[in-house]
Amino acid sequence: DVKVTQSSRYLVKRTGEKVFLECVQDMDHENMFWYRQDPGLGLRLIYFSYDVKMKEKGDIPEGYSVSREKKERFSLILESASTNQTSMYLCATRGGGDTGELFFGEGSRLTVL
Amino acid sequence: SQQGEEDPQALSIQEGENATMNCSYKTSINNLQWYRQNSGRGLVHLILIRSNEREKHSGRLRVTLDTSKKSSSLLITASRAADTASYFCATDTGFQKLVFGTGTRLLVSP
Repeated sequence: DVKVTQSSRYLVKRTGEKVFLECVQDMDHENMFWYRQDPGLGLRLIYFSYDVKMKEKGDIPEGYSVSREKKERFSLILESASTNQTSMYLCATRGGGDTGELFFGEGSRLTVL
Repeated sequence: SQQGEEDPQALSIQEGENATMNCSYKTSINNLQWYRQNSGRGLVHLILIRSNEREKHSGRLRVTLDTSKKSSSLLITASRAADTASYFCATDTGFQKLVFGTGTRLLVSP
């Protein structure tokens, strides 16, 4: 089975702190994604990566950056956390080609005080 | 950008009843997928239907796709309490990323 592991299930940070959310997958998938999920808004794509060191902006990249130094690891970085970034963050992976499902991690619930 | 919109937002039924959720989208798609999310957890893929397919079955799940109306429906037959979850449609427009709707919260009471 594909395993997508997110480093933290729950985090509490203060405004202005730098936050790292890490995601590791064990299926050698080329594509990795970071979504945030908020009530009433569904899942919104922040960034995705289709290869090592490659990244593409999603629909809401402002305030976030990403890093993909190794194929299995995709990190989401909040350079200076703000209260409006309090949310559930979901990492997902997908194999190559233009079809196929996403495999999700369990999510990281971030609270910014 | 929000591609899929699910309807209804919330659905409450009794065990044994059928549950139908609908999804509308705006642009041409390669495929449409349905996912399930238990409270506070990640999403799990349920079923994928390609743009040239009209209906697909998987166990108690039946998905239909009408590309002329840009809509899809997910039917869960003989619902169980364990089916209680949120259900999301996601559209694949061919640029590697999926665009998700806002979801339908399903509550199945024993």
